[in-house]
Amino acid sequence: QVQLVQSGAEVKEPGASVKVSCEAHGYAVTGHFIHWVRQAPGQGLEWMGLVNFDNGYTKSTETFRYRVTMTRDTSDRAAYMELSGLRSDDTAVYYCVSEYSGTSSFTIWGQGTLVTVSS
Amino acid sequence: QSALTQPASVSGSPGQSITISCTGTRSDVGSYDRVSWYQQHPGKAPKLVIYAVNRRPSGISDHFSGSKSGNTASLTISGLQPEDEADYYCCSYADVSLYVFGSGTKVTVL
Repeated sequence: QVQLVQSGAEVKEPGASVKVSCEAHGYAVTGHFIHWVRQAPGQGLEWMGLVNFDNGYTKSTETFRYRVTMTRDTSDRAAYMELSGLRSDDTAVYYCVSEYSGTSSFTIWGQGTLVTVSS
Repeated sequence: QSALTQPASVSGSPGQSITISCTGTRSDVGSYDRVSWYQQHPGKAPKLVIYAVNRRPSGISDHFSGSKSGNTASLTISGLQPEDEADYYCCSYADVSLYVFGSGTKVTVL
């Protein structure tokens, strides 16, 4: 079955870091970009950035440029997103999403990982 | 980069057609035919329903259609069905931030 499987929910204190994993199953992830999108409770979708699964190139928005690290492990067919300096407004569901490069269409979505930032 | 502008809510009766607008700028919607639309039911991950302005992925009903004029893209749902009740988001490739989502529209089937 074609799917992206993400790691489980996390609870972190302000100032901590969180690392979310995303494993590809049932399809060849080469030639794809893995994007990260987040959704705060009751809010809309926010694009955070992407990693090119073939060469590891990353791009993120200015909002997250100095706090987010996106990586991938080709042997594990997994992508990772680490967000540092967590604040309460980082509480959200974080999705990884697969795009076949050049199509600009987010076709395969992970199930989402809830990250709660609270003291 | 600011979110693309969508109406907060749109409603219609079963069988009717509704259109959701998505207004951006010359830096995103106006310059690229790389607009996509996503349907999201409560508690679920979004699902792609339109890409490249007006293309449907395999398995998506033809009662979803997309278009674009200038800086505004649109999603039309024809023959509205109860299961179409959901939140809808547009997304565009953009000059600066690479991708930007719309503010989201809640579709209610009356």
